[in-house]
Amino acid sequence: ELKVEQNPLFLSMQEGKNYTIYCNYSTTSDRLYWYRQDPGKSLESLFVLLSNGAVKQEGRLMASLDTKARLSTLHITAAVHDLSATYFCAAGDREAAGNKLTFGGGTRVLVKP
Amino acid sequence: DGGITQSPKYLFRKEGQNVTLSCEQNLNHDAMYWYRQDPGQGLRLIYYSQIVNDFQKGDIAEGYSVSREKKESFPLTVTSAQKNPTAFYLCASSHSGNEQFFGPGTRLTVL
Repeated sequence: ELKVEQNPLFLSMQEGKNYTIYCNYSTTSDRLYWYRQDPGKSLESLFVLLSNGAVKQEGRLMASLDTKARLSTLHITAAVHDLSATYFCAAGDREAAGNKLTFGGGTRVLVKP
Repeated sequence: DGGITQSPKYLFRKEGQNVTLSCEQNLNHDAMYWYRQDPGQGLRLIYYSQIVNDFQKGDIAEGYSVSREKKESFPLTVTSAQKNPTAFYLCASSHSGNEQFFGPGTRLTVL
């Protein structure tokens, strides 16, 4: 059974500094997703990582995937207040029934001035 | 505009009542999913459907039922057997097991 663990659960950031969120998964996975959720809202897709060594960047966010270590990271560069949200990673295995995704518990990010 | 819609946005249920949450998509996606999110928690899979007229239980299916009579629609019924239904419910769809796209959600509260 695929399990996904994120850490930290909560991250208080200072504007202008760099931070990393970690996403570990327990068994083989051929795809890893990062989502953002604002309070009371739905999930917004950020990144799709489909191969070992994949790196994707959008603005101040960069995601990477190491399938051998079963680890994905979401790196935040020079944090700004607009990045305050909860970030979820989700892993899936195309070979598994239903192409299901398993979500991590989320990392709540609060960026302070 | 292509997308996923959910209704209602807010729903209140009395004890012992069944309620149905609507999910519609016009993305021509084959697969649809229902998740439950409790405050401060991640998403848990309730039911999913890969094709019309077929659906499978997820991790927390007890007290819920679904149907998939049309490709575009995947309604979720929260039955009276679900003892603690207060939560945020999210519907998602995907094409051939690829990235899942989420609807805006329905917030269900038991009175």
